[in-house]
Amino acid sequence: QVQLQESGPGLVKPSQILSLTCNVSGGSISRSDYYWSWIRQHPGKGLEWIGYIYYSGSTYYNPSLKSRTTISVDTSKNQFSLKVSSVTAADTAVYYCAGARYTYGQKYFFDYWGQGTLVTVSS
Amino acid sequence: DIQMTQSPSSLSASVGDRVTITCRASQSINIYLNWYQHKPGKAPKLLIYAASSLQSGVPSRFSGSGSGTDFTLTISSLQPEDFATYYCEQTYSTPWTFGQGTKVEIK
Repeated sequence: QVQLQESGPGLVKPSQILSLTCNVSGGSISRSDYYWSWIRQHPGKGLEWIGYIYYSGSTYYNPSLKSRTTISVDTSKNQFSLKVSSVTAADTAVYYCAGARYTYGQKYFFDYWGQGTLVTVSS
Repeated sequence: DIQMTQSPSSLSASVGDRVTITCRASQSINIYLNWYQHKPGKAPKLLIYAASSLQSGVPSRFSGSGSGTDFTLTISSLQPEDFATYYCEQTYSTPWTFGQGTKVEIK
């Protein structure tokens, strides 16, 4: 059974870089039918998709965060990472890593999720 | 971006009730619509993908329907473990977007 686990600082100062890593266990991050994503949930709000990376390194970012976001993958460690630069209090959220499965007919759905990690932006 | 609007935002129901949640897309998304269940402090759980396909391991009391812009998640007989927040999500076009959520509470 594939499991995802986020790790990284829970507190980041304004204007600094938020960095998180998602470790994938129980399966290979290099499987061709998965796109590895970051999703966040602001306190009391809904879910916001940040972007995805394919094991080859190709990425897509939500335009709302694109200018500040970088997602990378390390297949040798079976993990992928998120960096968000120039953070403000508005970036305070629970951050989830997730795996989106791609199936025939261009259907995508998130069937693997991490537990989520709260990142607070505060001085 | 495609906007996803869920209704209601919250509802109160009793164990055994039939519960229906709707999700409307701002444009046609064919059947590229997924439903998730989310409990506080837990990872969201996939219930339904491609509008009506039940994810493996999910109880059959959950069902989904719809295509185009209007979709429905139905819980045929609400169980105590079903009290949670439910989200729809479109993957028809990027950026993938979620509804604002529907919180199902105990009556």
